[in-house]
Amino acid sequence: NAGVTQTPKFRVLKTGQSMTLLCAQDMNHEYMYWYRQDPGMGLRLIHYSVGEGTTAKGEVPDGYNVSRLKKQNFLLGLESAAPSQTSVYFCASSYSGQGKSGPQHFGDGTRLSIL
Amino acid sequence: KQEVTQIPAALSVPEGENLVLNCSFTDSAIYNLQWFRQDPGKGLTSLLLIQSSQREQTSGRLNASLDKSSGRSTLYIAASQPGDSATYLCAVPYNQGGKLIFGQGTELSVKP
Repeated sequence: NAGVTQTPKFRVLKTGQSMTLLCAQDMNHEYMYWYRQDPGMGLRLIHYSVGEGTTAKGEVPDGYNVSRLKKQNFLLGLESAAPSQTSVYFCASSYSGQGKSGPQHFGDGTRLSIL
Repeated sequence: KQEVTQIPAALSVPEGENLVLNCSFTDSAIYNLQWFRQDPGKGLTSLLLIQSSQREQTSGRLNASLDKSSGRSTLYIAASQPGDSATYLCAVPYNQGGKLIFGQGTELSVKP
């Protein structure tokens, strides 16, 4: 009963390094999302996907790229990490049907520090 | 632009009290509203989702109501317990695609 799984759980990077955060869901959901959570800013949408092979920008997409090559996986990439990207990153997924989306299910987050 | 506000930002109550958390949104044309719980260092757990055509949803000791015309939702917690201590967030979707706009949350502390 995994739900939404994020890897890694913690990571420390140096400025300019790159990395990829992996999100996997086993609920056969069409929609997947990446959010970041920062003190005083709440949760903000970075990118999202409404199906395999599709991606779209959210509220704060700059500095990030995403890919959805398989329905169950949604990857978030940082090409050149900056201290402003220090945050907790959450992946979520939801089903779609009858033109509506269902409740979003969240992973436990990835805590990323950029030095 | 849709904005979601939660008041109060923090709430401390003794165990056993019934309490209400508030959520307001500026654009009443929403598809649904979702309430989440977040424990420290953890992800979000979905508590209740109310579709735009519904007035309320119940799950155990939780009851969420929705009044689209006034742009408000409330989460009622009956007979609060220390295990209810967490941050509670409400969120509404941008559109049918489900992208959520979150409130800042209410941090609840239930004292034994």
